Amino acid sequence: QSALTQPPSASGSPGQSVTISCTGTGSDIGGYNYVSWYQQHPGKAPKLMIYEVSKRPSGVPDRFSGSKSGNTASLTVSGLQAEDEADYYCSSYAGKNNSPYVFGTGTKVTVL
Amino acid sequence: EVQLVESGGGLVQPGGSLRLSCAASGFTFSVHWMHWVRQAPGKGLVWVSRINGDGSSRSYADSVEGRFTISRDNAKNTLYLQMNSLRAEDTAVYYCAREENVAFADWGQGTLVTVSS
Repeated sequence: QSALTQPPSASGSPGQSVTISCTGTGSDIGGYNYVSWYQQHPGKAPKLMIYEVSKRPSGVPDRFSGSKSGNTASLTVSGLQAEDEADYYCSSYAGKNNSPYVFGTGTKVTVL
Repeated sequence: EVQLVESGGGLVQPGGSLRLSCAASGFTFSVHWMHWVRQAPGKGLVWVSRINGDGSSRSYADSVEGRFTISRDNAKNTLYLQMNSLRAEDTAVYYCAREENVAFADWGQGTLVTVSS
């Protein structure tokens, strides 16, 4: 199972928006509405930010939003803040018994 | 509050074995799928293995199939990963994670496994 494809980096100034793409196939992103997004600060564990394409867990600011079109999912961070600087990973359910989950390659978001 | 605390990592020689543990609290452990996810130094997240609530269903990534075994003890609220025939490429931080809504809802702090001679 190949990793989902994300851009290595993205950036924006405070208050601006940044959108990260995550491209898979019809066997993962395109086949299920089970895309999730994770934020990871250096040396820390990942944190769930979005699940089921566009739902936010309790406590996640509404500045974070998710969407999907075909085999590509996207995470948008609006009103960028300094604490949003982190690595972001997408993940998708892939349905197979072996490797039922696949992660993206990761995107480093820099707040300029 | 959900807490997941991994332990058991360390330095091991190629071909050696190690058993990781993940102590869970703050939720009904026995009803949740649990996962192991790893991250090699400076690299991305990679799914490793999962087990269902009663331990009757398990899955593995191709890269660890036949070498790693996931298990759980619901009486002790603990998840395990037995790792045998370890290779240099297994070097990583290993996280346990609780599944909810087909996502990794909660993560432990991770435990570092280093495979080197």
